[in-house]
Amino acid sequence: QKEVEQNSGPLSVPEGAIASLNCTYSDRGSQSFFWYRQYSGKSPELIMSIYSNGDKEDGRFTAQLNKASQYVSLLIRDSQPSDSATYLCAERGSGGSYIPTFGRGTSLIVHP
Amino acid sequence: DTGVSQNPRHKITKRGQNVTFRCDPISEHNRLYWYRQTLGQGPEFLTYFQNEAQLEKSRLLSDRFSAERPKGSFSTLEIQRTEQGDSAMYLCASSDPSGRQGPRWDTQYFGPGTRLTVL
Repeated sequence: QKEVEQNSGPLSVPEGAIASLNCTYSDRGSQSFFWYRQYSGKSPELIMSIYSNGDKEDGRFTAQLNKASQYVSLLIRDSQPSDSATYLCAERGSGGSYIPTFGRGTSLIVHP
Repeated sequence: DTGVSQNPRHKITKRGQNVTFRCDPISEHNRLYWYRQTLGQGPEFLTYFQNEAQLEKSRLLSDRFSAERPKGSFSTLEIQRTEQGDSAMYLCASSDPSGRQGPRWDTQYFGPGTRLTVL
């Protein structure tokens, strides 16, 4: 059974700092990786997708993928209190499947 | 707003009752997914449609659950004889990988969810 592991946190960082969120996955065949942000009581919102080894940057967000080590990370630079949310990591694509496997999420708290 | 919509947003029901939820995907999205999410967990896949065809169902999906997408547009999810363990947020997502093939390019957009409470 495919697994996506995330530390549930909470991860607490001061405003303006870099928040680093990590995720490991079990299936070497996974092709696509996603980070979603979910505010309390709301639905997940896609932040980043990454398919190739290395870094992908989008504004204050950088996703990093290392397929050899089977981990994905999300860096949030200049963290703001509005970034406080749960961040879900998901993988998909093993065996041609469209069905993602989500981690349980990491709670991030950015304090002023 | 052309995002995914779900109705109702909240549903409270008594154990043993049937409930039905509706999802309207983003226009022209041919794939539609249903998930269930409980507190402290990530979304758990339930079932998935491509157009009107239901292509995959989770092994965790009880036979009390049924989903339809009769015209390839909106979808309904029905839970019969609800149990307290069915209390959760039910999420719908849609996607359209037009022009590209394969799950690598399939970006799913979630609706606001329907929160079900079974008393």
